Parts: sequence; C-alpha cells; structure tokens
Amino acid sequence: AQSVTQLGSHVSVSEGALVLLRCNYSSSVPPYLFWYVQYPNQGLQLLLKYTSAATLVKGINGFEAEFKKSETSFHLTKPSAHMSDAAEYFCAVSESGGSTLGRLYFGRGTQLTVWP
Amino acid sequence: DAGVIQSPRHEVTEMGQEVTLRCKPISGHNSLFWYRQTMMRGLELLIYFNNNVPIDDSGMPEDRFSAKMPNASFSTLKIQPSEPRDSAVYFCASSFQGQGFYEQYFGPGTRLTVT
Repeated sequence: AQSVTQLGSHVSVSEGALVLLRCNYSSSVPPYLFWYVQYPNQGLQLLLKYTSAATLVKGINGFEAEFKKSETSFHLTKPSAHMSDAAEYFCAVSESGGSTLGRLYFGRGTQLTVWP
Repeated sequence: DAGVIQSPRHEVTEMGQEVTLRCKPISGHNSLFWYRQTMMRGLELLIYFNNNVPIDDSGMPEDRFSAKMPNASFSTLKIQPSEPRDSAVYFCASSFQGQGFYEQYFGPGTRLTVT
C-alpha cells in the first residue's frame, strides 16, 4: 500500500511570505500525486495534480508543486501567501495500476495559518 | 455541472438510532468513495465502489456500518445502531476511472453528531 507523509501538521506564515508545505510518498512505481485544500466546513477541493507530463505542476490560486522522484517528494509552494490561503492542505497519492487503481492515500494534512 | 451531492448536511441523533447518509455522485463517474473525518484519526477511507460494485470495505469500522450503491447515481451509508464515537464528518467522493488520472471530487460532507 502507498503511504504519504506530510511534515508539519501546522505551518504559520505572514501574509506575503513564501508558503512551503512538504509531502513525501512511498511508491515502488511512478504514482499519480495530488494536493487538495479544505476550507472550514467544506469538502476537499482539488488544488493540483501530477500526472507525469511535467515535473512542475501549476494549480489554482497561485500554488504549484514539484515532483522529485529521487527524493520521493511533492512539496507545495506559493510565492506570496494571502489571508484567503488559510486552510488545511492534504497531499494524496494514487496507484497507477493494480487492483486498487483509483484509490487515493491521503496524508494527515497540514493546517496553514496566515498572519496579517 | 452539479458536483457531488450529499444529504443531509447535518444530522443529530441519539445513541442507538439508525442513521442513513446519502450521496449522488457526479454524472458519468464510475467510482464512489465514502470517507470519515475526525480530529483524532484524520481522513479515513471507509469503502469504495467501482461500477456499483464494492471493491474494498476494509475501512468499515464495524458491522454496524453498511454501504450500498444500487445504481450509478446513488449510494447510501448506514449506521445501525449509532454510537457517540461515530460522530464525525462523512464525505462522499466520486471519480472517473478510465483514461485519466483518477482525481476524486468531494461532496460538502455530512456532519453527524450522536448524543
């Protein structure tokens, strides 16, 4: 089974500062990777996805993530944080084949706080 | 397009009562997932269906939990009898398994409180 580790359950940044949320995965084959965002009292919303087309993936709201196979990482970044970015962020990995194709394995989430 | 629809959005019930949560996936999607989210355990996959067939129900916590998908546009998650520890937010998600990358689309969730 796949596993996902998100380093840091809470991250705090000042408005305008760089956002870096870390995600490492375990996979023996190239996986599909996703970042989701959850605002209070809402469901998870897809932020971006890696599908092996390009290692640097751009998503909504100015976020991007870089797939690094050698580091088994898929960190999420945004150059300048905005107050509206405050939310919980989940990294997820999907099998690219096999009987559990389509199942997502989620990390525990990182709560992002943005200070004015 | 309508997204994943869940009902009810909030449910408050007493211990021992039966609870039924409902989900309508996105039209055309052929996979459906039920998750539970709590502060203690995070996001847990309970069960998922592919083409209306349950594929993996290993996440269903106990026999008190059951899920059905009678057709491609409807699924239910039932808890009978309910217990206070079942209090959580339950999410339904759907995806299309084909020549794609299997991103899941989540509903708004049902917040269940069992007193």
